[in-house]
Amino acid sequence: GAVVSQHPSWVICKSGTSVKIECRSLDFQATTMFWYRQFPKQSLMLMATSNEGSKATYEQGVEKDKFLINHASLTLSTLTVTSAHPEDSSFYICSAPPRGLAEAFFGQGTRLTVV
Amino acid sequence: ILNVEQSPQSLHVQEGDSTNFTCSFPSSNFYALHWYRWETAKSPEALFVMTLNGDEKKKGRISATLNTKEGYSYLYIKGSQPEDSATYLCAFLSGSARQLTFGSGTQLTVLP
Repeated sequence: GAVVSQHPSWVICKSGTSVKIECRSLDFQATTMFWYRQFPKQSLMLMATSNEGSKATYEQGVEKDKFLINHASLTLSTLTVTSAHPEDSSFYICSAPPRGLAEAFFGQGTRLTVV
Repeated sequence: ILNVEQSPQSLHVQEGDSTNFTCSFPSSNFYALHWYRWETAKSPEALFVMTLNGDEKKKGRISATLNTKEGYSYLYIKGSQPEDSATYLCAFLSGSARQLTFGSGTQLTVLP
């Protein structure tokens, strides 16, 4: 199956700083990548969809200026949490979407803690 | 907003026990139902992609059934082993959406 590599796996940052999370497709080209956030005991919630060569599309309620998404190449999508606050502490995970009836492929996820 | 629910939220069983979990999803506009196994610090891995009403799939000791008319799927694990300990996620794909809608998962712990 396809491999999606996500880094870092965990990060602790101070309030007000920015954090970049990278998601790479290692053995395939991804024109689209989904970014999810998960709070404790809750579902993976779609935040945004990154599209190679064009603007990301954000789900309702997700701040575009806070969660900057860039999909600069067919193998790299990044999520930058800008001016992080403690309420941004969460688990973030990327996924290459399913094609037709195939499964989705996920990164390992990033645990962000803002102190 | 699509509603996908899983139960139970968590489950502890003894090694050798068989167990099952439930995923309920909208019964309209169905396209596919995914099951994933998610171990701590690893990526979720696909177990099954199910598409047909009445479908039953099996992979080793794990099997799943699908009822699209009533909107539920069961995942069964026969003779649970400690290595089966993980969170099991189901995800619904509707005919009109490109992205999966996930349940909150069932966290299984198999005690030796």
